[in-house]
Amino acid sequence: DIQMTQSPVSLSASVGDRVTITCRASQSLNNYLKWYQCKQGQAPRVLISTASNLQSGVPSRFSGSGSGTHFTLTINSLQPEDSATYYCQQSLSTPYTFGQGTLLEI
Amino acid sequence: QVQLQESGPGLVRPSQTLTLTCAVSGDSISSRSCYWGWFRQPAGSGLEWIGRVFFDGRTNYNSFLRSRLTISVDTSKNQFSLKLNSVTAADTAVYYCVREGFNDVDDWGQGTRVTVSS
Repeated sequence: DIQMTQSPVSLSASVGDRVTITCRASQSLNNYLKWYQCKQGQAPRVLISTASNLQSGVPSRFSGSGSGTHFTLTINSLQPEDSATYYCQQSLSTPYTFGQGTLLEI
Repeated sequence: QVQLQESGPGLVRPSQTLTLTCAVSGDSISSRSCYWGWFRQPAGSGLEWIGRVFFDGRTNYNSFLRSRLTISVDTSKNQFSLKLNSVTAADTAVYYCVREGFNDVDDWGQGTRVTVSS
């Protein structure tokens, strides 16, 4: 199975800040990397697919970058509603695997 | 717009079988352009991929559940289902059904909470 390592585990920031979350894979993903936003009581929301493709309806302050085994999620100009847990997931091969998650507090 | 709705028992006794169904609207379960899958999130833990099924019944399962798991499609009802045998407290989670599109667009159900307890 492909191992996903995400950092940091938690993050505290202020409205208007820029934050970056990192995800590393145990093997090259050919950019098959997704980023999710998870909030209590809601279904996970896919923010980014194929490493950098912003999903429909996702604010442009979210962006993804990276290739191979190293990927980042950047959130510019943080808003209060961005408080959530964020996960990366490799979609290169099954079993799909996730990073441990990053709790973002604003 | 594709919509998915999970249904099933909220409470299952240990050692029993958990059966969940995902009703699909806005697309055909016979579509050749997507997989139909299941994820779960135990309370206080991260997301887990359970498995998926293709329209023709081909499946991929996560190895840690494979011996207890069956995912299948029901074309007559435009739905797919998950059956997990011999459940334990470790199977307590919110379960989500997902349409995994080949165009890299996924649709998620709202999730259904399952508790395994006597």
